Amino acid sequence: GNSVTQMEGPVTLSEEAFLTINCTYTATGYPSLFWYVQYPGEGLQLLLKATKADDKGSNKGFEATYRKETTSFHLEKGSVQVSDSAVYFCALRSNDYKLSFGAGTTVTVRA
Amino acid sequence: EAQVTQNPRYLITVTGKKLTVTCSQNMNHEYMSWYRQDPGLGLRQIYYSMNVEVTDKGDVPEGYKVSRKEKRNFPLILESPSPNQTSLYFCASSLKPGGALVDTQYFGPGTRLTVL
Repeated sequence: GNSVTQMEGPVTLSEEAFLTINCTYTATGYPSLFWYVQYPGEGLQLLLKATKADDKGSNKGFEATYRKETTSFHLEKGSVQVSDSAVYFCALRSNDYKLSFGAGTTVTVRA
Repeated sequence: EAQVTQNPRYLITVTGKKLTVTCSQNMNHEYMSWYRQDPGLGLRQIYYSMNVEVTDKGDVPEGYKVSRKEKRNFPLILESPSPNQTSLYFCASSLKPGGALVDTQYFGPGTRLTVL
């Protein structure tokens, strides 16, 4: 079956630091890949997505590139802010209608 | 405002006492889904619905029921809750299955359930 493995947290950074959260996946076929973000006390929001190999998703300064050869979709941001403190989930959708999520990575950015 | 609403937001109950968590969306979405979120496990899908009167099991359906009598509503029913169903529950919806837009799911704010 499908599965998503993402970097264990928690991650604590200073403002303007570089953030990377690793995500790898196992899936049949050609999945679409996503990063969702959950701010404290809220539901999940789509952050970015990529639907085919070598696609780069980007939003709010975050980027992730769909790497089929390494089955990865790592999330990066060059300069984080306190407002980026949240839980980040990597997810995939294969040829059915289900989303499979990773365990989530808690990121805390300190001023 | 386009949104997914859930009620209640917080619930403490006892083992065996039937409960329903409501979910409603105002975006005319066909696809709706329920997830539970547990520490270290991420989100796991409980049930989903492709349209009115069409529901199917997700990865962890045991102990739960759902119904989809109207397009906008997708209640989650726990007939006899047990402590292992203590969790944070999210409802989500998306425009229609099978198309690219299904990829963007809109999540409700969550319901924190404690079963004693």
